[in-house]
Amino acid sequence: SQQGEEDPQALSIQEGENATMNCSYKTSINNLQWYRQNSGRGLVHLILIRSNEREKHSGRLRVTLDTSKKSSSLLITASRAADTASYFCATLYGNNRLAFGKGNQVVVIP
Amino acid sequence: GAGVSQTPSNKVTEKGKYVELRCDPISGHTALYWYRQSLGQGPEFLIYFQGTGAADDSGLPNDRFFAVRPEGSVSTLKIQRTERGDSAVYLCASSITGYNEQFFGPGTRLTVL
Repeated sequence: SQQGEEDPQALSIQEGENATMNCSYKTSINNLQWYRQNSGRGLVHLILIRSNEREKHSGRLRVTLDTSKKSSSLLITASRAADTASYFCATLYGNNRLAFGKGNQVVVIP
Repeated sequence: GAGVSQTPSNKVTEKGKYVELRCDPISGHTALYWYRQSLGQGPEFLIYFQGTGAADDSGLPNDRFFAVRPEGSVSTLKIQRTERGDSAVYLCASSITGYNEQFFGPGTRLTVL
């Protein structure tokens, strides 16, 4: 079953604005990962945050993790048209399986 | 370096036929995963290999689905007696170990007519 649930599911923003997506999960995790997917095919790994970490940065990406609320957020700063994609959170739990949410569709308007 | 590759990129078959989907992981990655993604959904876990053995096959939907990784590198996902509901994108991923980031291939789009 899918654990991650992103919110909101669709986001349309102007280039240069920030985009924030949230994800919640239900059970204890080893880590949480965010992925990007273009055109419904290959998933690109963006960032991994471990269960004992609270915040992580990578370039224009900032991820937070709140294990007490079982939630995570992904912030993309200064968005670009090339950031248009679907974004998925995935939790690693149990026997090393990833459970993905349904994804956020982000459209960045030039 | 080379990423995860999957063949074929597209497969169209008829209901009831047998199909094989191939995955070449990143060299040196001991962990290999298969996922299935339906339209508008996130990927759904099917099976996880650590080396040659299936460490977790609890995501396989039924006994028509089977996967192997005989030499601990290339893996083949096999689907018998395909059904229209099997139509989806089948994604393969590999990682150095089971707890690290997973690198995904481009997927195989399977269409069962």
